[in-house]
Amino acid sequence: KQEVTQIPAALSVPEGENLVLNCSFTDSAIYNLQWFRQDPGKGLTSLLLIQSSQREQTSGRLNASLDKSSGRSTLYIAASQPGDSATYLCAVEKGGATNKLIFGTGTLLAVQP
Amino acid sequence: NAGVTQTPKFRVLKTGQSMTLLCAQDMNHEYMYWYRQDPGMGLRLIHYSVGEGTTAKGEVPDGYNVSRLKKQNFLLGLESAAPSQTSVYFCASSRNSFLAGGNEQFFGPGTRLTVL
Repeated sequence: KQEVTQIPAALSVPEGENLVLNCSFTDSAIYNLQWFRQDPGKGLTSLLLIQSSQREQTSGRLNASLDKSSGRSTLYIAASQPGDSATYLCAVEKGGATNKLIFGTGTLLAVQP
Repeated sequence: NAGVTQTPKFRVLKTGQSMTLLCAQDMNHEYMYWYRQDPGMGLRLIHYSVGEGTTAKGEVPDGYNVSRLKKQNFLLGLESAAPSQTSVYFCASSRNSFLAGGNEQFFGPGTRLTVL
C-alpha cells in the first residue's frame, strides 16, 4: 500500500530564507507527483506536477524535484516571503485510468516577516 | 471560468439526518473526485467518477453515496449522518488521464460539515 510522508510537519523560517520541503513515498511505481498549497480554510491549489519521466519542474521561485528510485521529492522555495505561509501537500498518482491521488499529511510553513 | 464550486460551504447536521453536497465544474473535465480531510490524516478519497453515469469507490466509501448524472456535476450523499463524518469535504476534477498533461487535479473550496 502506498504511503506518503512529509517531514517536518511544521516549519518556521525568517523572510528571505531559502527552504526545502520533503516528501517521501513507499512505492516507487508512480505515474506522477503533485505539490499543492492550502491556505487556512481554503481549498488546494496545484503548484507543480512532475511526471514520472521527469526529474524536476520549476515555476517562479518554486522548484520541485523527483527521485523515483529513492521514493523522494523535494519542493524548494527561494527567497521565502510571508505570503508563502500555508500548508504544502504532496500527492502521488499510481497511474491507470483513474488519476487517484494518495496525499501526505502536509507541512505547515510559517514565514516570519 | 468559476473552476470547481461546492455548495454548501458550511453545514451542521444532527446524527441520523441526511444531506447532499453538490460539486460543479465548468472545465469540461471527464474525471471528478470527492475527498475528506481530517486532522493528521491528510486527504482521503471517498468516491470518484471517470465519466458521466459512472462512479467508483475510493479509499473510504462507507456511509456515502454519489451520483454523476451530468458531466459537470458530482453529488455526494450522506444517508444517515454520523459524528465520524464530521470533516471538511473537497471536490476535485481533472481531464482524462491519457491526454497529454491531463493529470492535474483542480480543487473546490471545500464544505465544512459538523455532525452532532
